[in-house]
Amino acid sequence: KAGVTQTPRYLIKTRGQQVTLSCSPISGHRSVSWYQQTPGQGLQFLFEYFSETQRNKGNFPGRFSGRQFSNSRSEMNVSTLELGDSALYLCASSFTGGANYGYTFGSGTRLTVV
Amino acid sequence: DAKTTQPPSMDCAEGRAANLPCNHSTISGNEYVYWYRQIHSQGPQYIIHGLKNNETNEMASLIITEDRKSSTLILPHATLRDTAVYYCIVSPTNNAGNMLTFGGGTRLMVKP
Repeated sequence: KAGVTQTPRYLIKTRGQQVTLSCSPISGHRSVSWYQQTPGQGLQFLFEYFSETQRNKGNFPGRFSGRQFSNSRSEMNVSTLELGDSALYLCASSFTGGANYGYTFGSGTRLTVV
Repeated sequence: DAKTTQPPSMDCAEGRAANLPCNHSTISGNEYVYWYRQIHSQGPQYIIHGLKNNETNEMASLIITEDRKSSTLILPHATLRDTAVYYCIVSPTNNAGNMLTFGGGTRLMVKP
């Protein structure tokens, strides 16, 4: 079966712009979560969506937002980009969001802010 | 903050067993131990998880001490493709928010 698909794979944006990243989970998975990975901070949880509802949110400013559609696909948006937002953004899907099922990660979107 | 402590790096000879330790001395009774790995430029990959019994699958074995304060991930016959960062994570079984707290992990280098 198809894995978790993230688009685009690479993105270059200018400071102050906004960006939208997309994640298509594994078919049948209803939970999608997002992570930011930087060399300095490692992997950090952004937020999680299940059945179009945000259930959990990490410690990120309000410039970071997301949503989930009825087909479980999810998007995250970052407004007013800063240089520090340059990172690998990963999404993970799971059946229910419970840890026991294991999370499947996509290959990520590498965002560079210049 | 991550609830686990792992050595930052380890080396292993190709074909030998790789034993990756993890300390989780503050683990709660309802928390599982999970292992993921991340190969360069890819997303983390689930390896195995366990509560208190030892577990084995096609990728690895997980040995959890009786007091559950530490565990070891064993790759029985390491290959060059096992070179990656390995993350040990503790998470409750009812973690409906789908949040994994990653620490620094162990960078495993498998050498020919």
